[in-house]
Amino acid sequence: GAGVSQSPRYKVAKRGQDVALRCDPISGHVSLFWYQQALGQGPEFLTYFQNEAQLDKSGLPSDRFFAERPEGSVSTLKIQRTQQEDSAVYLCASSPGTETYNSPLHFGNGTRLTVT
Amino acid sequence: AQSVAQPEDQVNVAEGNPLTVKCTYSVSGNPYLFWYVQYPNRGLQFLLKYITGDNLVKGSYGFEAEFNKSQTSFHLKKPSALVSDSALYFCAVSPSHAGRRALTFGSGTRLQVQP
Repeated sequence: GAGVSQSPRYKVAKRGQDVALRCDPISGHVSLFWYQQALGQGPEFLTYFQNEAQLDKSGLPSDRFFAERPEGSVSTLKIQRTQQEDSAVYLCASSPGTETYNSPLHFGNGTRLTVT
Repeated sequence: AQSVAQPEDQVNVAEGNPLTVKCTYSVSGNPYLFWYVQYPNRGLQFLLKYITGDNLVKGSYGFEAEFNKSQTSFHLKKPSALVSDSALYFCAVSPSHAGRRALTFGSGTRLQVQP
């Protein structure tokens, strides 16, 4: 079956531009996560949705980062006024249930954002 | 707050030899532990998890991991390495309480299996 789909695959933005990154989770998956992976590092948590509710946004690094999942399926991560330190791979992951602490995550291939 | 340490940036092993990728963790309460693998330009793929029970956990592609509570470790192992196992491996921990659902990942260990 279809996995987690992320688009675009690559994004180059000039410093100061706004970007929007899309995630299509596996159909029916309740939980959705966004992670940021800097070069040579492990993924770092950004935010978590359970259906359309954003239950945890403690990992968002600044108020320039905003995420939504209005209908409980597709999610968008928006970064306003991009900075060079925002350059990273942004990973989306979904999980079928709400007990995510004991369920494996299904990751997309990520969006590589480069801010010039 | 929970944390994960992967002390080796890279592990080199010859094909057919056993491999070990090390992981130690810190978490309040009981840990839920995971290993994920990442191939170039791909997302992470789940390998195995420890929730409770037997300390030796078996996972995908012949990998296994041993949970050691006293040493707070969860090392990944495989009896006989394949060239195709070459990839980036991440250990992750989740807190056992439901309030915080996100995984905390280590910085990763690159496994290089030489033919």
